[in-house]
Amino acid sequence: DTGVSQDPRHKITKRGQNVTFRCDPISEHNRLYWYRQTLGQGPEFLTYFQNEAQLEKSRLLSDRFSAERPKGSFSTLEIQRTEQGDSAMYLCASSSTGGAGTEAFFGQGTRLTVV
Amino acid sequence: SQQGEEDPQALSIQEGENATMNCSYKTSINNLQWYRQNSGRGLVHLILIRSNEREKHSGRLRVTLDTSKKSSSLLITASRAADTASYFCATKDNAGNMLTFGGGTRLMVKP
Repeated sequence: DTGVSQDPRHKITKRGQNVTFRCDPISEHNRLYWYRQTLGQGPEFLTYFQNEAQLEKSRLLSDRFSAERPKGSFSTLEIQRTEQGDSAMYLCASSSTGGAGTEAFFGQGTRLTVV
Repeated sequence: SQQGEEDPQALSIQEGENATMNCSYKTSINNLQWYRQNSGRGLVHLILIRSNEREKHSGRLRVTLDTSKKSSSLLITASRAADTASYFCATKDNAGNMLTFGGGTRLMVKP
């Protein structure tokens, strides 16, 4: 395990369908983050977990979005009743719990296209 | 919302030249990190500078931080075509919980 992995890399879905993405963090990292990035913009924070606890959620995370990290290892992000505005790159990152010197490492992302 | 703002939004230089990107942020920070992103790919961590540090080097990268002005700069020396990418600054607040990204600088290095 050399990094954060995300699956799938690409997903095309029809409007109204549900989609689920998976993120496997670096194994010794207890923090896991989800970000969303639209074309030409920087990543925007969605939510983060420390172990299995979801500690913070952005107001961007509407009630159609749900994230879980059931055993404090991998995480899933589900979007229900997808809309065209959900089309974006969904990025996962992990880090250890640390102070000022803690780096976050990102996966390659899942690109979602809602048609 | 995004805390950081990068300047310029786009930069085009010739191979061998230096590239300087600036980042400004709004609130007190714990650290500031710079990332690179190639088109359509994930983010690669470049360098982290803590709030009590003023300058840091890593290979051809030099980062400065001025907490009084809430700004940072990333200098890439002797640029290469392979440096072509988007560069983002990201700040971690004092609670240390998450990174807040700027809009990025799109760098093109022409061979």
